[in-house]
Amino acid sequence: AQTVTQSQPEMSVQEAETVTLSCTYDTSENNYYLFWYKQPPSRQMILVIRQEAYKQQNATENRFSVNFQKAAKSFSLKISDSQLGDTAMYFCAFMKRTGNTGKLIFGQGTTLQVKP
Amino acid sequence: GAVVSQHPSRVICKSGTSVKIECRSLDFQATTMFWYRQFPKQSLMLMATSNEGSKATYEQGVEKDKFLINHASLTLSTLTVTSAHPEDSSFYICSARSEVKAETQYFGPGTRLLVL
Repeated sequence: AQTVTQSQPEMSVQEAETVTLSCTYDTSENNYYLFWYKQPPSRQMILVIRQEAYKQQNATENRFSVNFQKAAKSFSLKISDSQLGDTAMYFCAFMKRTGNTGKLIFGQGTTLQVKP
Repeated sequence: GAVVSQHPSRVICKSGTSVKIECRSLDFQATTMFWYRQFPKQSLMLMATSNEGSKATYEQGVEKDKFLINHASLTLSTLTVTSAHPEDSSFYICSARSEVKAETQYFGPGTRLLVL
């Protein structure tokens, strides 16, 4: 069975600074996807970034980038130039690629507060 | 594109009554939809996978007779909480899996259920 662990329940960062959220996972699968989702106070889940395990290159989306370490089963999210609108709960998630039922396995979440 | 709606957004009901929540994919077809439950400041807990034209697959510990799921069309899945009790009060979120991008789930805005 796959598990996803986010060991930082809460974090804070000053506006315009950089913050990194940690995520580790456990799986015996070789083909899978990893995601970071954002849930702001509105509670609407928003996809931030996606990584395909077979791609060595780290995914980036504007101010958001990941550090994907497949051997270490680590998938951290870096937010650069933090903005007040980045305040949200962030979830790391795993999805098998083969025999794909489409199930997402979520971590516990990290609440990020961006301070002015 | 890829919008998922949920209705209602909030519902208050009396203990013992049944409540139906709708999840619609507005601009794409979704043969698979997922239903999650989320408690405050916690992660999303998958309740069941809803498959168009077939019976839903429930996660371990989720009562299928309590949480009835119907996926009657490629754009609509419903979750009915039967004989609701105060402990069923929660935030319920649906997501729809894109057939074009099978690894991508699009989330609805959620439904807040309060059972008195």
